[in-house]
Amino acid sequence: DAGITQSPRHKVTETGTPVTLRCHQTENHRYMYWYRQDPGHGLRLIHYSYGVKDTDKGEVSDGYSVSRSKTEDFLLTLESATSSQTSVYFCAIRGGSANEQFFGPGTRLTVL
Amino acid sequence: QKEVEQDPGPLSVPEGAIVSLNCTYSNSAFQYFMWYRQYSRKGPELLMYTYSSGNKEDGRFTAQVDKSSKYISLFIRDSQPSDSATYLCAIGVDDMRFGAGTRLTVKP
Repeated sequence: DAGITQSPRHKVTETGTPVTLRCHQTENHRYMYWYRQDPGHGLRLIHYSYGVKDTDKGEVSDGYSVSRSKTEDFLLTLESATSSQTSVYFCAIRGGSANEQFFGPGTRLTVL
Repeated sequence: QKEVEQDPGPLSVPEGAIVSLNCTYSNSAFQYFMWYRQYSRKGPELLMYTYSSGNKEDGRFTAQVDKSSKYISLFIRDSQPSDSATYLCAIGVDDMRFGAGTRLTVKP
């Protein structure tokens, strides 16, 4: 257990509403990541953070923003949710001897 | 063309079979190669990693990297029903690229 929690675990929302997903880690890792997972696409990087207030875009960042005001928390915000953002969202931290990534349990988001 | 290509399967084998899972990649700069296992409705968990070319063995699992062909493989010997999961290859460190995943079912 890499000490990563995500909240909420499930969410159903309507198109146009703002949504914030939270990732919390207990092990003080510097790097944190947000991915989305869709059938046929695997995991795709949305944004990542390499420290407090230090973030960068990933492969599929359009429509998403992130914030990291504390080492332990990394927030993903959908400013105005669209149906194309229906997905499973995973948070990850980087650690271990090979700088491998450890994943949280995921958040299943449905945008109606 | 995707940076990492992986046959999505599904792949179904009888218990005890040898399983071969494969990925190809396009960026020759990658040095870290990983395999993740993901059970249904769970997050991916790291199974094995290799650095650069060569083989690495861990119990029933062997990871193989051929950088000249840009080809990575995961072999599972004596497969068990508990190995039924989706297997994802992953390449890189910071900007890690994942394959789409291969769904494996091992039938008793």
